[in-house]
Amino acid sequence: AQSVSQHNHHVILSEAASLELGCNYSYGGTVNLFWYVQYPGQHLQLLLKYFSGDPLVKGIKGFEAEFIKSKFSFNLRKPSVQWSDTAEYFCAVNVDSNYQLIWGAGTKLIIKP
Amino acid sequence: SQTIHQWPATLVQPVGSPLSLECTVEGTSNPNLYWYRQAAGRGLQLLFYSIGIDQISSEVPQNLSASRPQDRQFILSSKKLLLSDSGFYLCAWSVSGNSGELFFGEGSRLTVL
Repeated sequence: AQSVSQHNHHVILSEAASLELGCNYSYGGTVNLFWYVQYPGQHLQLLLKYFSGDPLVKGIKGFEAEFIKSKFSFNLRKPSVQWSDTAEYFCAVNVDSNYQLIWGAGTKLIIKP
Repeated sequence: SQTIHQWPATLVQPVGSPLSLECTVEGTSNPNLYWYRQAAGRGLQLLFYSIGIDQISSEVPQNLSASRPQDRQFILSSKKLLLSDSGFYLCAWSVSGNSGELFFGEGSRLTVL
């Protein structure tokens, strides 16, 4: 069965540190890839997405993610985090244009001021 | 612009009582509609999705049901709540088709006592 793995459940960083959150999926066919973010007290919202084309995609608030097909990965990165990036981040995969998104368990990111 | 409204935001119900969570979308037509359950550390679990009025697909057998009486209205129900139904429920919509990009409501926290 298809699955999505997020390697770290909790990450704590200081402001200005670099961030990389891992996401791996298990599926060999066509995928659409997403990162969603949930800030404290707010609803889930899309951070960035990959459908096709340039495997390096840029999202809101300085985030980017790189799709590496050979590694079945879609890691999220930010060169310098801010306190306001404290949130829970979810990786999700849509396989073969199905209606269902397969979700990772989420990574809680805490940025220390 | 499109908006999604979900209510109530919080609900405390006794075991065995009925449930009705409502979700409406504005600013779009014929959306795909979804009910998810979010559990801490486990990501999102798809409960139901709908591609049209009275067209409901259930992903997980359980004590809950869903209905779509109007194009932009999606209701999550139960006749008799169980303790295990406690959780955080999210409504979401996407454009017709199946790209996988979802827009979420703010969620409903259900506590069954």
